[in-house]
Parts: sequence; structure tokens; C-alpha cells
Amino acid sequence: QVQLQESGPGLVKPSETLSLTCTVSGDSIRSYYWSWIRQAPGKGLEWIGHISNSGTTNYNPSLKSRLTISVDKSKNQLSLYLSSVTAADTAVYYCARLKITTYNYWSGSYKSENHYYFDSWGQGTLVPVSS
Amino acid sequence: DIQMTQSPSSVSASIGDRVTITCRASQDISRWLAWYQQKPGRAPKLLIYDASSLETGVPSRFSGSGSGTDFTLTISSLQPEDFASYYCQEANSFPITFGQGTRLEIK
Repeated sequence: QVQLQESGPGLVKPSETLSLTCTVSGDSIRSYYWSWIRQAPGKGLEWIGHISNSGTTNYNPSLKSRLTISVDKSKNQLSLYLSSVTAADTAVYYCARLKITTYNYWSGSYKSENHYYFDSWGQGTLVPVSS
Repeated sequence: DIQMTQSPSSVSASIGDRVTITCRASQDISRWLAWYQQKPGRAPKLLIYDASSLETGVPSRFSGSGSGTDFTLTISSLQPEDFASYYCQEANSFPITFGQGTRLEIK
């Protein structure tokens, strides 16, 4: 059974870069897509972005200019870098594995769509942004 | 971005009750919707995907239905461990978005 564990600094100062690592155990990081999701205190869930097993990334446009997601296959780790943070970035940050369902259909030619869900999550790590 | 609106924001119910939570998408998302359960201090847990497919290991008292813009999560007979917050998530397009959540409380 796959397990995910986030790690990172307990506190980040405004304007600095937030760096988090997610260590994956029980499965190979090469086999799946992986994502970061965050939840501000008392608020709902916000998708940050994801990375495919080939290294292709897809970012939330609201964060794209400040965001980098990467994978270290040798360490079975996923990383998040969010630059120029403000208090609005204070949240619990979760890493998650993606479950993909594929829909194949005919529309003049055969086409395929992927749809993404989050089927395994880390416990989350709270990252306050404060001076 | 697709806006996901859940109702109600909170609901009180008793053990054994049947509870329905609704999620409405701001545009047609076909059947590409998931439901999650989140308990305080814990990560969300996937319950339902593709609107009505039960995730492995999830009790059969949970069910999902709907397509297009209107979806429901039904818990057929509430158990003590079901008191939690529930979120819908659209999987039709990027950016992926979630509903604001529904808090299920004990009456």
C-alpha cells in the first residue's frame, strides 16, 4: 500500500520560497502521476498542480508564475517550490497520487480523454507564512 | 474555471438517517466528478469517482449519482464514523476545482 509523507520547514517568511518534499513509499513514483493540493486554515481544498510520470507538469494558473513541481525518481520523491510567498499561502499542503480514468470515444476519429482524481494522500504539513 | 457549489453548507443528522449532499457545476462536466470525506486534522479520502463509481474499500452505504451539472452524494444509513466534511471535485478540465465543502454533524 502506497504511503506519502510531506516534509518541509515549519515556517516561511514573506517573499521567500516555500520548499516541500513528499516521500513516496510502497510504490514506484515512476508509475503514477502526482499532485500537490493545499487547504488554508478552516477553508476548502485548492489544487496546486501535478506532474506526470514523464515529467510533464500542469499548474493552477493562479499559481503558475511562482510554482515548480518536480520529481526525483532516484529518491522516490516529489517536490514543490512556491516563490514570493505571502500570508495568503499559509495552508496545509498535501501531496497526493492521481487516479486516472480514461474515456475513449469516436468523433470523426478515435479520441481519448483523461480525468484525474486523488486516491492516496499524505497526512499534510502546515506551512505558516509569517515574519 | 469551473465553479463547484455544494449544498447545504452544513447538515445535522442522526445515526441511521439517510443524508443527501448536492454539488452543482457551473458548466457541463459530464460524469467527471468525485466525492471526498475529510475528518478534522486528516487528509481527504476518495469515496466516489466518475460520479457513481465506488472507490475500493469504501462502504456500500455511500453512493453517487448525477451527470451534466447536478450531482448527489447519498449516505443510506449514517454511521458514527461518517460525521465529517464532504467535498466534491470536478475532473472535467483544468484547473481542477473543489466545492466549498459540506459539514455533516451529529444531531
